[in-house]
Amino acid sequence: AQTVTQSQPEMSVQEAETVTLSCTYDTSESNYYLFWYKQPPSRQMILVIRQEAYKQQNATENRFSVNFQKAAKSFSLKISDSQLGDTAMYFCAFMTPGAQKLVFGQGTRLTINP
Amino acid sequence: NAGVTQTPKFQVLKTGQSMTLQCAQDMNHEYMSWYRQDPGMGLRLIHYSVGAGITDQGEVPNGYNVSRSTTEDFPLRLLSAAPSQTSVYFCASSYSRTGTQDEQFFGPGTRLTVL
Repeated sequence: AQTVTQSQPEMSVQEAETVTLSCTYDTSESNYYLFWYKQPPSRQMILVIRQEAYKQQNATENRFSVNFQKAAKSFSLKISDSQLGDTAMYFCAFMTPGAQKLVFGQGTRLTINP
Repeated sequence: NAGVTQTPKFQVLKTGQSMTLQCAQDMNHEYMSWYRQDPGMGLRLIHYSVGAGITDQGEVPNGYNVSRSTTEDFPLRLLSAAPSQTSVYFCASSYSRTGTQDEQFFGPGTRLTVL
């Protein structure tokens, strides 16, 4: 069974700093998809970034980028120039084609301080 | 488009009561699913559907029923509520029948408390 582990339950940084959230996963599949979701206090789940395992290039979305290390089964999220609005729970998630379900990590609560 | 809508937003039940959580999407998505979110455990899949008339179990299906009579609606039924079902419930949908490469859109969630 696939598992996703986020080893940092909570993190806190100052506004404008860069922060990296860690995620590791376990799978025997070679083709899969990885995601980072943001859940602000409103509770809404928002897709931040997506990575296809067959793509070697790390995905980037504005201030958000990932460091995808397939051999190490690691998928970290880097937030540059952090803003107060980045305060949220962040979930790493994994999906294999045809599995029809997202497997989520436990989440990291990120607080951006003014 | 309203996206994925869920009702109610909050609900308190007594042990043994039954209720239905409603989920609807207006994006003509094939794939719909229900997750529950518990502290320290992330989101876990309860049931999912790849189209009208087709449903299947996820990781934690016990105590829940679903049906998919239309593309738009995917209600989740609690047959006899238990305190262990106290959680936040999310409905999600995506265009692809496999729900894989396409983005999954989540509803706003329903916070359920069972006393």
